[in-house]
Amino acid sequence: GAGVSQTPSNKVTEKGKYVELRCDPISGHTALYWYRQSLGQGPEFLIYFQGTGAADDSGLPNDRFFAVRPEGSVSTLKIQRTERGDSAVYLCASSLSPTSEQYFGPGTRLTVT
Amino acid sequence: KQEVTQIPAALSVPEGENLVLNCSFTDSAIYNLQWFRQDPGKGLTSLLLIQSSQREQTSGRLNASLDKSSGRSTLYIAASQPGDSATYLCAVRTSGTYKYIFGTGTRLKVLA
Repeated sequence: GAGVSQTPSNKVTEKGKYVELRCDPISGHTALYWYRQSLGQGPEFLIYFQGTGAADDSGLPNDRFFAVRPEGSVSTLKIQRTERGDSAVYLCASSLSPTSEQYFGPGTRLTVT
Repeated sequence: KQEVTQIPAALSVPEGENLVLNCSFTDSAIYNLQWFRQDPGKGLTSLLLIQSSQREQTSGRLNASLDKSSGRSTLYIAASQPGDSATYLCAVRTSGTYKYIFGTGTRLKVLA
């Protein structure tokens, strides 16, 4: 595709529910990142994939958060038992390699009520 | 632990002015540094990427410099335009890691 796409653009869910957020990276990009951004803050790193494997998941806040990239392209961020504090914009970025420029998607705004 | 600071937090300038945005980082062992702009409610747009071996990068009216020893990068915007109004973010990747640490950004407003 022309750029990184993320779906849905907005997600409203009730506290305690499960959500999945999807990221379609630029075709051929092997590196994929997930970030979370709260209002007035810079993005906060969550997880990095090189190909199919999570090379660095040190930013995941707790075991309610999990991400997969089974075929090395599309990635899904999964959040179990959502809490109000999970409300934020979730951003995905991809790059050709770990050393090259990151390209960001438009983000998914998650609101937990 | 790498920490990234951006000063000023907000800046308002008249159109046509040259300006400098600052980014400081605490661990000078970096792999690279990337500057982004973010428009309200949008994702991030990459502006410039500087590898640790480079001193500066230029793209159009933008010039970014890197001084690893002092833990600083500056983004220079020449002849600012109202369309430059956005939040500018810098992100640092520390050597030996894959994660990028972002500053909180500088909100720039260029007045017509």
